[in-house]
Amino acid sequence: EVLLVESGGGLVQPGGSLRLSCAASGFTFSSYDMHWVRQGTENGLEWVSTIGTAGDTYYAGSVKGRFTISRENAKNSLYLQMTSLRAGDTAVYFCVRGHATGLKYYFDYWGQGTLVTVSS
Amino acid sequence: DIQMTQSPSSLSASVGDRVTITCRASQRIGSYLNWYQQKPGKAPKLLIYAASSLQSGVPSRFSGSGSGTDFTLTISNLQPEDFATYYCQQSYSTPQYTFGQGTKLEI
Repeated sequence: EVLLVESGGGLVQPGGSLRLSCAASGFTFSSYDMHWVRQGTENGLEWVSTIGTAGDTYYAGSVKGRFTISRENAKNSLYLQMTSLRAGDTAVYFCVRGHATGLKYYFDYWGQGTLVTVSS
Repeated sequence: DIQMTQSPSSLSASVGDRVTITCRASQRIGSYLNWYQQKPGKAPKLLIYAASSLQSGVPSRFSGSGSGTDFTLTISNLQPEDFATYYCQQSYSTPQYTFGQGTKLEI
């Protein structure tokens, strides 16, 4: 069974930092792209960041330069280092597995999410 | 960036109804369109990928269609467990995986 379990969320002041972790199990972690997707107070889903199997990284414009995604395949773990946090970063952050089949691509497994609240 | 627009934003229906949700892309995306269902307090769940392919384990009352810029998600014979929020997502312009704003399906 594929499981993705996030941790590390919490309350942080504006300008602060936080590191999210995602523990993966039930699949060959190193063989999949992994993503972070967030859902803010307006409840829409926003793609945040991707790390490919080769360690290539991509970011949404809203977080580029402030967030860093990384992975540790030996520990089946995904991370998101968040710095210079703003109120607008307040959201539930989901760890997500990406799946490619032929030329198609989709997010097939999601963690339960971890809440990040940026407030003074 | 490709923008995804869903309509309607909310929808009222009854058990047994057939409902259709529309998703429009701001530019052509082939069939690189996925649909997700989200229930309150839960993570999104993949329903349909590549516009019309049903994810394993998803009931056959869910179906998707479309290509280019216009897509639909149809739910036939609505069941109580189908009342949720539905999101479309484009996977054409990677890695900018844009989502629609969501459609809340209510009783």
